[in-house]
Amino acid sequence: AQKVTQAQTEISVVEKEDVTLDCVYETRDTTYYLFWYKQPPSGELVFLIRRNSFDEQNEISGRYSWNFQKSTSSFNFTITASQVVDSAVYFCALTLSGGYNKLIFGAGTRLAVHP
Amino acid sequence: GAGVSQTPSNKVTEKGKYVELRCDPISGHTALYWYRQSLGQGPEFLIYFQGTGAADDSGLPNDRFFAVRPEGSVSTLKIQRTERGDSAVYLCASSPTSGSYNEQFFGPGTRLTVL
Repeated sequence: AQKVTQAQTEISVVEKEDVTLDCVYETRDTTYYLFWYKQPPSGELVFLIRRNSFDEQNEISGRYSWNFQKSTSSFNFTITASQVVDSAVYFCALTLSGGYNKLIFGAGTRLAVHP
Repeated sequence: GAGVSQTPSNKVTEKGKYVELRCDPISGHTALYWYRQSLGQGPEFLIYFQGTGAADDSGLPNDRFFAVRPEGSVSTLKIQRTERGDSAVYLCASSPTSGSYNEQFFGPGTRLTVL
């Protein structure tokens, strides 16, 4: 069975702090995709990043960076110099390769960035 | 261009009533997904359409739930004899094709409250 665990339910930081959101996944498949989505207060999920299981290169996009480690089945997300606009619920998700994109989401981490 | 839209944005109904939730995907997107998000949880997969056909309805909780997509565009999720436990946000997402690597574009959701 596939499962995604986001152990941090809520994180509260002060603006400009760095923050890391943890994601641990379980699957027996060797080929899969991992995603991060952001859900702001408006409710609409916004795609942030996708990685496939064969690409363990870390990725940086502006203040966002992702660390994918197959050895620990983790796909962690770091926001550098956090801003109030980063306040949202962040979801990590897994899908198996082949066929369609049936996302398996974690429970989410609510991030509150205070001025 | 227009994103995924869902109507109504909010629906309040009484236990035992029938409800229909509508999803308008992004034009040209062949893959359409329904998810259900309970309070404090990540979205859970309900059903996937490729074109007009429901390719995977394994996430529908029971036979009170049914969904259609007759012309391969708009989809309607139908819930019969609603129960209080059906209260949740119902999310619709679409993607250009069905591939598991595809980003899904989510709508704002319909918040269903069963009294």
